[in-house]
Amino acid sequence: DGGITQSPKYLFRKEGQNVTLSCEQNLNHDAMYWYRQDPGQGLRLIYYSQIVNDFQKGDIAEGYSVSREKKESFPLTVTSAQKNPTAFYLCASSIPDDYNEQFFGPGTRLTVL
Amino acid sequence: AQSVTQLGSHVSVSEGALVLLRCNYSSSVPPYLFWYVQYPNQGLQLLLKYTSAATLVKGINGFEAEFKKSETSFHLTKPSAHMSDAAEYFCAVDSGGYNKLIFGAGTRLAVHP
Repeated sequence: DGGITQSPKYLFRKEGQNVTLSCEQNLNHDAMYWYRQDPGQGLRLIYYSQIVNDFQKGDIAEGYSVSREKKESFPLTVTSAQKNPTAFYLCASSIPDDYNEQFFGPGTRLTVL
Repeated sequence: AQSVTQLGSHVSVSEGALVLLRCNYSSSVPPYLFWYVQYPNQGLQLLLKYTSAATLVKGINGFEAEFKKSETSFHLTKPSAHMSDAAEYFCAVDSGGYNKLIFGAGTRLAVHP
């Protein structure tokens, strides 16, 4: 089955540590996205990538970094510079020309202690 | 710039009652519009999309939405609520060529017996 996988489902880290969230898709989509979700705030775009080896900052990129070395993978690193990293993180992918319909992974809940 | 407003962060209905979730958009170009559903601790699932074909769009699980250009609205309805419809619902609009979706803040639907 084609889809998007995110791992792990739950992640705990100590304050000051960097942590990398995994996102893999086998849908052969060119574009991939990372969102942060906090209660009552909807989805906020962190980074997006429309093609391998290229990515753009979204609305809340500070304290995050990404890479796009392979079409199917778009890992997100939450750095120690992110002041409030505890949140639910969602990865998505799309075919840019297909009305930009986005397909979402199951999410990773990050808790920083 | 594109934007989305969802009226009502929480909606509560009785089982069997009409579900109406409101979405208004702002777009400088003919929009593509989406409704997504999110169950607790899961990713988003597409309910339906408007891509400038029929103005009345039917989706999964008995939901439908009507695009009204004069009212800049794309409200989501379901004739008879089921307990399993309890979830959070997000309206989104395509960003108009930037390959991003702009999401509303979400509406949490509660269904009571």
